[in-house]
Amino acid sequence: IAGITQAPTSQILAAGRRMTLRCTQDMRHNAMYWYRQDLGLGLRLIHYSNTAGTTGKGEVPDGYSVSRANTDDFPLTLASAVPSQTSVYFCASSAAYQETQYFGPGTRLLVL
Amino acid sequence: GQNIDQPTEMTATEGAIVQINCTYQTSGFNGLFWYQQHAGEAPTFLSYNVLDGLEEKGRFSSFLSRSKGYSYLLLKELQMKDSASYLCAVMDSNYQLIWGAGTKLIIKP
Repeated sequence: IAGITQAPTSQILAAGRRMTLRCTQDMRHNAMYWYRQDLGLGLRLIHYSNTAGTTGKGEVPDGYSVSRANTDDFPLTLASAVPSQTSVYFCASSAAYQETQYFGPGTRLLVL
Repeated sequence: GQNIDQPTEMTATEGAIVQINCTYQTSGFNGLFWYQQHAGEAPTFLSYNVLDGLEEKGRFSSFLSRSKGYSYLLLKELQMKDSASYLCAVMDSNYQLIWGAGTKLIIKP
């Protein structure tokens, strides 16, 4: 592994189902982030983690939860998916919270 | 509120020069970033400015004026592979990135 990986690449999900998007980085970065990207809008921060064991809410956290049990992994969970959560989800990481962020390839999620 | 403005779309000719502008109003300023995003792919880092002035990196340059809340990305000797969206983002006082919606750059032969 080199950089950031995300899984799955894409997913079609029925409304009401639970879903976890996975993100793993091998750069030993302290900070990690989850964004969603919707057409015509800028990237919006969902949740972030400045270091393992801590998490924080971003601009659009409702309906999402995260955990950061170790440095490498930062999963994003949708407890009960709704159609408005249809989006492209990007995970990113940076060496520290004030440093340049590097992005994973993204997960395309369609909630029906 | 916080706001990042950039043009939605621009068209330029292969071999030419194009300037993509970005204006911002944010609570605090800890640097401005430019990213490139090809269709269907992840954003990739291009440049970072925290002091006023021009930063040059090969065919790409980025300029910042903090007093005017203004930046631009200058692309020289345009190539077809430069067709992409260019995202402007400002790091605010909480060290969170505030993103513009992106400028889609179309390069014509």
